[in-house]
Amino acid sequence: AQKITQTQPGMFVQEKEAVTLDCTYDTSDPSYGLFWYKQPSSGEMIFLIYQGSYDQQNATEGRYSLNFQKARKSANLVISASQLGDSAMYFCAMREGRDSSYKLIFGSGTRLLVRP
Amino acid sequence: GAVVSQHPSWVICKSGTSVKIECRSLDFQATTMFWYRQFPKQSLMLMATSNEGSKATYEQGVEKDKFLINHASLTLSTLTVTSAHPEDSSFYICSASQTGIYYGYTFGSGTRLTVV
Repeated sequence: AQKITQTQPGMFVQEKEAVTLDCTYDTSDPSYGLFWYKQPSSGEMIFLIYQGSYDQQNATEGRYSLNFQKARKSANLVISASQLGDSAMYFCAMREGRDSSYKLIFGSGTRLLVRP
Repeated sequence: GAVVSQHPSWVICKSGTSVKIECRSLDFQATTMFWYRQFPKQSLMLMATSNEGSKATYEQGVEKDKFLINHASLTLSTLTVTSAHPEDSSFYICSASQTGIYYGYTFGSGTRLTVV
């Protein structure tokens, strides 16, 4: 069964600094996808970044990058130059299978607070 | 981009009544719909997966007679909470996907249900 773990319930970061949010996963399926979502207090789920299990390079999207270490089964999110608007819950998620017809399972989340 | 409209955004109902939540994909055909619930300060827990025209597949521990899911068309899925009780109070959120799109999960904005 797929499993996804976020061990940091809460994190603080100073504005303009970088922060790394940890995520580890466990699956026996060779084809899987890893996702990061941001959930502000409004509740909407905002897609940040995606990494496929066969992708050779780490994914990057603007200030977000995913540090994908396949052998260690980790997919940490790095946010560079933190902004006050980055304060939110962040969820790591995993899909087993090749496309989005397969279910997405979420980690427990990390609450990030950006200090001015 | 892909948009999923979820209604209502919040609802208060009396214990024992039923509540219907709708998720509509506005500009794409949602072959698969996922329904999640989220308790305060917790993660999204998958309740069920539905494919258009088929019966929903419920996750272990989810009462299928209590949470009725209908996915009668490629653009509309509904979740009905039957005989609601205070413990059903939660944030419910849908996610729609298109077959073959490897990262394409589009989330609705969520429904906050309060049962009094």
